[in-house]
Order: sequence, then C-alpha cells, then structure tokens
Amino acid sequence: DQQVKQNSPSLSVQEGRISILNCDYTNSMFDYFLWYKKYPAEGPTFLISISSIKDKNEDGRFTVFLNKSAKHLSLHIVPSQPGDSAVYFCAASSTDTGTASKLTFGTGTRLQVTL
Amino acid sequence: NAGVMQNPRHLVRRRGQEARLRCSPMKGHSHVYWYRQLPEEGLKFMVYLQKENIIDESGMPKERFSAEFPKEGPSILRIQQVVRGDSAAYFCASSPLQGGNEQFFGPGTRLTVL
Repeated sequence: DQQVKQNSPSLSVQEGRISILNCDYTNSMFDYFLWYKKYPAEGPTFLISISSIKDKNEDGRFTVFLNKSAKHLSLHIVPSQPGDSAVYFCAASSTDTGTASKLTFGTGTRLQVTL
Repeated sequence: NAGVMQNPRHLVRRRGQEARLRCSPMKGHSHVYWYRQLPEEGLKFMVYLQKENIIDESGMPKERFSAEFPKEGPSILRIQQVVRGDSAAYFCASSPLQGGNEQFFGPGTRLTVL
C-alpha cells in the first residue's frame, strides 16, 4: 500500500527553466510534508517542508505547494541548475501526539538538468 | 557541528553472519530513526528510538532484526543470520523534537550479503 506516490520516475529540464516535481498521498492523517534531495551513495538531504495549515512555502529557488483537498503537493525549482540533478523524494508524516513522527517516502523522481 | 554519522559505510557479510550498523545522531538530537532502501525503491521506516527506549518498531521485521539506543554511545541496528534479501542501504536519521520536525540523515551503510 503506497501511501505516498511519485508517479514520474524521471524528469529532464533545461538549465534555467522551471522544474516541477509532483507527489500525491492517500493518508488523510498526514499533516506535514517534506522534500529531500539525494545524490548517489549519499544520504537524503532535507530541502523544504510544509505544514498542512499552509498551502505554500518558499525558500530561495525552492517552493512547495500543498493542495489538501486533492492530496497533492509539488516542488518547484526556479531556475533549475545542473547541480540540481539528483533524485528527489517526497515524504509525509503525521504529527498527531502520541505517535512517532516516522516519515513515509515516495519512490522518488530522478531530475536531470541539461545544459 | 557534525552531522549524523554512520559506520561502517560499506559492510559485506556472508549468509548467516551478523551485521551491526552504528549511528551517532547530530549533537543535541535525542531521537533516532532507521530506514532501509532497497534498490530502485524509496526509503522504508524501520524503527524510532529515544535514549534507552524503543518508541515505534512497526517497520522492523519480526525476526533477526533488533535496534537499541543506549544511554551512552551510538544507536545500533543489528541483523542476525543475514540473508541475501537483507542487502540494502540502511539510513539513520535524527531529529531534536518529536512530531512535525525535519529529520536529518546520515550517509548510510550499504550492506551486501554474499
């Protein structure tokens, strides 16, 4: 049962353009969402997060949008740079007190930024 | 401020041997999480620990796997009698607070079972 889904396994974008990575979730208990970036043979690196009380969070070139009614979030990278080429994971958690804040990950989207 | 440290980075074991993976959380973090990533898959939660306590082990296989986070020293993920299906990357993460906060990951231990 895949509760967090990233339906695009790969994405290719030209340098300078916008990269849009999508993520869908099925569990209504999720109320906190995160994006991680991962290079080969390294651990995931935290990028940006958003609480369900917001619909947008921005940090430099990275913006995350959350549509709760559609159970959908997206990560926008503008402008895309070659160093952004990596696998991007969407993750979700429930901050309900009394439960552990384990993260449920999607399967990742491999972003390639071309020159 | 050192990040999450894991060792060894690579571990090779033969079937039936034991594997011990170590994780030292970031300074000031008292919550440790272990995740496993199989080839071409996302990370799957295994266990969540605080000092001397297992808080959530819902993702741990029922047999051969155990984890601890003692009062002193690193967190240990132990796999007894390893099988080929245990070959994966094992990541540790830490966070300062429970619930809703970001988790910071170590570089992982890549376990290969021959």
